[in-house]
Amino acid sequence: ENVLTQSPGTLSLSPGERATLSCRASQTIRGDYLAWYQQKPGQAPRLLIYAASSRATGVPDRFSGFGSATDFTLTISRVEPEDYVVYYCQQYGDPPVTFGQGTRLEIK
Amino acid sequence: QVHLEESGPGLVKPSQTLSLTCTVSGGSVSNTPYYWTWIRQPAGKGLEWIGRVYNNKDTFYSPSLSARATISIDMSKNQFSLRLTYMTAADTAVYYCARGYPFDSWGHGILVTVSS
Repeated sequence: ENVLTQSPGTLSLSPGERATLSCRASQTIRGDYLAWYQQKPGQAPRLLIYAASSRATGVPDRFSGFGSATDFTLTISRVEPEDYVVYYCQQYGDPPVTFGQGTRLEIK
Repeated sequence: QVHLEESGPGLVKPSQTLSLTCTVSGGSVSNTPYYWTWIRQPAGKGLEWIGRVYNNKDTFYSPSLSARATISIDMSKNQFSLRLTYMTAADTAVYYCARGYPFDSWGHGILVTVSS
């Protein structure tokens, strides 16, 4: 299976700063079928980005996805107070679907 | 707008079989180009994909759960289900159902605890 490694595990930033979250795959992701999810406490994850760089419906444009093959990035251009939660990457290019272990964004 | 809702027991005894159902409203589980999926999350941990079904004929499971998991569709009730045998404490988690690849719609999740 394709193992996804997210870094850093925790990212400490002040509101208004730029956040860069990384996701590295152990194998090339077919079709760049890489998604990013945001999960708030007590809630189901919410799809932010699919196919590496396409924003899901209703997602603010401060969220952007980049990358291809094995290296992907989620960027938040200016972190807002509601963004301090956990983010997961996920590949759906080939089964089994796999998730990264998550990056927690915390207030500095 | 599609809505998914999980239902089933919140408590299961060790070695028993878990049966969960996901009821879909605002869309059909059959004759659609969507995968229907189960995912779980132990408390304080990450997400684990369990498996998916497509048009009730095409299923795929996580290698670590394939021997114990079965996912199926009930077209008459517009539901899909998860059956997980030989439950242990390690299976205690919030279980989510979701639609699509990627997962664009999720249920709220149901906490399943394995305990005697």
